[in-house]
Amino acid sequence: DTEVTQTPKHLVMGMTNKKSLKCEQHMGHRAMYWYKQKAKKPPELMFVYSYEKLSINESVPSRFSPECPNSSLLNLHLHALQPEDSALYLCASSQGLVGLGGELFFGEGSRLTVL
Amino acid sequence: EDQVTQSPEALRLQEGESSSLNCSYTVSGLRGLFWYRQDPGKGPEFLFTLYSAGEEKEKERLKATLTKKESFLHITAPKPEDSATYLCAVQSLHGGSYIPTFGRGTSLIVHP
Repeated sequence: DTEVTQTPKHLVMGMTNKKSLKCEQHMGHRAMYWYKQKAKKPPELMFVYSYEKLSINESVPSRFSPECPNSSLLNLHLHALQPEDSALYLCASSQGLVGLGGELFFGEGSRLTVL
Repeated sequence: EDQVTQSPEALRLQEGESSSLNCSYTVSGLRGLFWYRQDPGKGPEFLFTLYSAGEEKEKERLKATLTKKESFLHITAPKPEDSATYLCAVQSLHGGSYIPTFGRGTSLIVHP
């Protein structure tokens, strides 16, 4: 079983809705990541937090808003999304600081459908 | 620009038929190459980390090897439960930090 927990597993939302994806890890990892993955494509990096501070934003549209309330939690707030934003959203964590990198531990993902 | 290329894109094997997946990379100073397994609709699961040419790692029917230009994931006597997409990633310098850059993956299907 994965030690990175993502909720909800499935989310359907309209283009005017506001929703949030949540991620939690209890491995003491200090770096947390959001990835977006489309079918038959590799994970695409969106955001990286290190020690609860945003370290990397891959020029993601502002309709995606990340938040890291503490070292164990990571949220992704969604607002005014487009149908092309439908994808599997993956949260991951790693042990070291961003800069040392290391293996990522992924959650099972949140499958988002935008109508 | 750092790049990761995986081949083949898809592979179909009969149960017990051994084979290898390839991951070729170009990176300025390798700081780690990773293999992940991903089942449909799930997040990738970490398998191996390799750091230097000549290094090998094994886990059950899987064995990962590394040269200066590529890595191989050898699958010995595969079973249907080995069916998955296998992703390769290398640490890539990104705005002062090292972040994994993923290849497109190899989709493996093992028929009973």
